[in-house]
Amino acid sequence: GAVVSQHPSWVICKSGTSVKIECRSLDFQATTMFWYRQFPKQSLMLMATSNEGSKATYEQGVEKDKFLINHASLTLSTLTVTSAHPEDSSFYICSARGGLAGATGTQYFGPGTRLLVL
Amino acid sequence: DAKTTQPPSMDCAEGRAANLPCNHSTISGNEYVYWYRQIHSQGPQYIIHGLKNNETNEMASLIITEDRKSSTLILPHATLRDTAVYYCIVLLRGGSNYKLTFGKGTLLTVNP
Repeated sequence: GAVVSQHPSWVICKSGTSVKIECRSLDFQATTMFWYRQFPKQSLMLMATSNEGSKATYEQGVEKDKFLINHASLTLSTLTVTSAHPEDSSFYICSARGGLAGATGTQYFGPGTRLLVL
Repeated sequence: DAKTTQPPSMDCAEGRAANLPCNHSTISGNEYVYWYRQIHSQGPQYIIHGLKNNETNEMASLIITEDRKSSTLILPHATLRDTAVYYCIVLLRGGSNYKLTFGKGTLLTVNP
C-alpha cells in the first residue's frame, strides 16, 4: 500500500508555544489530506480535510485559528497547533488519499505524532 | 453514510481464523465497506474494502452477505501481531463527503 510519513513522531513542548507537524505522502500524490486526533482510550476524531491548494474544511467544534492546516503541495501537509495548552496533548494522525485513483482512492494513514504539552 | 455495529471485543487463539462481524443494515447501494485496524499507538492500517462481491488480499478476506446488510472480515491464521482494534466503515466513494469517520471498532485479542 501507499506510504504516509509524519514528523516528528513525538514532541514535548511548553504551554503557549506552537508546534508544527508534517505529513508527507512518499510514493503517491495526495490530492486530499486529513488530520485526526485521538485521545487515550478513544477512537479517532476527524479534525479537518484539505485539498491541495485550497483552504482546509474543519469539522464542527475544531478551532481553525488554533489548528492551522497548510496543504501547499501534493505530497506535503502541515498541522500547526498554535499556543498549545495541556488539553491539546493528544495523538495526531494524518491521512492521505490520491494517487491514480484520485478522488475515489483509498485513505492511507501516517504513524501518528504524540504531542505532550507541559 | 450508513452506521455500523461491531462487537466491542473478541478473542482468538493464535493460528486460528479470526472472524470479525459488522452490521450495516442501512447501507445504500453505492456504499462501500472498508476495514481498517489500529495496532496500539500506531496509525490505522488499511486492510480491505468491497462493494458487493467477496474480496481477498494478502491480509484478509471480506465476506459481504447477499443483501449487503452485514459483512465479516476473516484473518485466516491469526498471529499475536494481529491484536488490534478493527474498524468497519461504510461510505460512499467520491464526492465532498468522502472521508473516513471511525466508530469504536472491535478490539481483537489474539492469545498464545
